[in-house]
Amino acid sequence: GAGVSQSPRYKVAKRGQDVALRCDPISGHVSLFWYQQALGQGPEFLTYFQNEAQLDKSGLPSDRFFAERPEGSVSTLKIQRTQQEDSAVYLCASSLGQGFSTASNYGYTFGSGTRLTVV
Amino acid sequence: GDSVTQMEGPVTLSEEAFLTINCTYTATGYPSLFWYVQYPGEGLQLLLKATKADDKGSNKGFEATYRKETTSFHLEKGSVQVSDSAVYFCALSLNTGGFKTIFGAGTRLFVKA
Repeated sequence: GAGVSQSPRYKVAKRGQDVALRCDPISGHVSLFWYQQALGQGPEFLTYFQNEAQLDKSGLPSDRFFAERPEGSVSTLKIQRTQQEDSAVYLCASSLGQGFSTASNYGYTFGSGTRLTVV
Repeated sequence: GDSVTQMEGPVTLSEEAFLTINCTYTATGYPSLFWYVQYPGEGLQLLLKATKADDKGSNKGFEATYRKETTSFHLEKGSVQVSDSAVYFCALSLNTGGFKTIFGAGTRLFVKA
């Protein structure tokens, strides 16, 4: 597609429920990132994929968070046993470049995000 | 650690006013610097970037100059329009320390007609 597509746009989950958030990046983009944006804050890095390889998951806040990109295109961020502190907008971004050259040379294209509310 | 600090908003201006949004950074390496913009209901978009000291990034009438001596990357526009109303994020990326970009908290700009 023309842009990065995320679904659902909004998700309300009961505390303890598992959720799965989908990201469909721009076709051909090698790099895919997940970010978490709390209300009134800037995005914070969660994880990075280069094709299907998860090269950096240092930002995942706990082992309840899991991300995959099995065929190097669509990615899913899964949160198990959701907690209220997980409430945030989850942003997916993709880029044509790889690694540091990604940010320097191309920048990211972000999706509109999934707003997760845990009640 | 590495961080980005930008001026708190909201910033409210009248159309055709001059805009400055301050941004300073702390980095252990030699970062690339960015401004992203988020229009209402849309995803973040790269507005401009600079990859080395004294570089000036520019786009859509916005400019920012990479100042290593003051560790700053202030965003400026000479004459804002109502359509510039958005949230602006300053960000940095390092060539060491993994693949992430570090964002500031964002500054909301309102432009009145």
